[in-house]
Amino acid sequence: DAKTTQPTSMDCAEGRAANLPCNHSTISGNEYVYWYRQIHSQGPQYIIHGLKNNETNEMASLIITEDRKSSTLILPHATLRDTAVYYCIASRQAGTALIFGKGTTLSVSS
Amino acid sequence: NAGVMQNPRHLVRRRGQEARLRCSPMKGHSHVYWYRQLPEEGLKFMVYLQKENIIDESGMPKERFSAEFPKEGPSILRIQQVVRGDSAAYFCASSQDYDQPQHFGDGTRLSIL
Repeated sequence: DAKTTQPTSMDCAEGRAANLPCNHSTISGNEYVYWYRQIHSQGPQYIIHGLKNNETNEMASLIITEDRKSSTLILPHATLRDTAVYYCIASRQAGTALIFGKGTTLSVSS
Repeated sequence: NAGVMQNPRHLVRRRGQEARLRCSPMKGHSHVYWYRQLPEEGLKFMVYLQKENIIDESGMPKERFSAEFPKEGPSILRIQQVVRGDSAAYFCASSQDYDQPQHFGDGTRLSIL
């Protein structure tokens, strides 16, 4: 699976959009980009995933560049409860282990 | 809609004892994954099972660890003769099919005295 690179930490004001970047320059054609988050002492929570088209669900939007070498997770209106470690993972979709890196610690403050 | 259920949430064992961790996948999910998170580290894959079959155990330690997912009942991760280094949070995830996202439980925190 391709390696991903994320900033160690980010800050965001409550109510503003949080834009979390991820680089995956070695991603292969059959690898999807997955985003999970882990709030302290809980299990990882699935957020969204995509292959090459932008995706949106009730939690977030995922923007993938045309060359697929990077992506951005957007939380449109961050709340204090969005404070968590966010993981970007490049993985084949078919029944494989997810490889978690260190992720980005997002701190949302009022 | 019940999520992935893991029990117990906390488990304390003395060195040399056995630990059994249970995972009930989401309703309709037949694929189960186990991960381990050591203190201050990221999650590491251990094993992937589909009903009654081990599909990928490349992340399982060679000794003392085993996993099963019987036709009926929860998936079990079993650790024999536990050592201090087994202290960690163990997370289970399930998916509806091999090509669907994995959904995680809230883990079992295992502490070895």
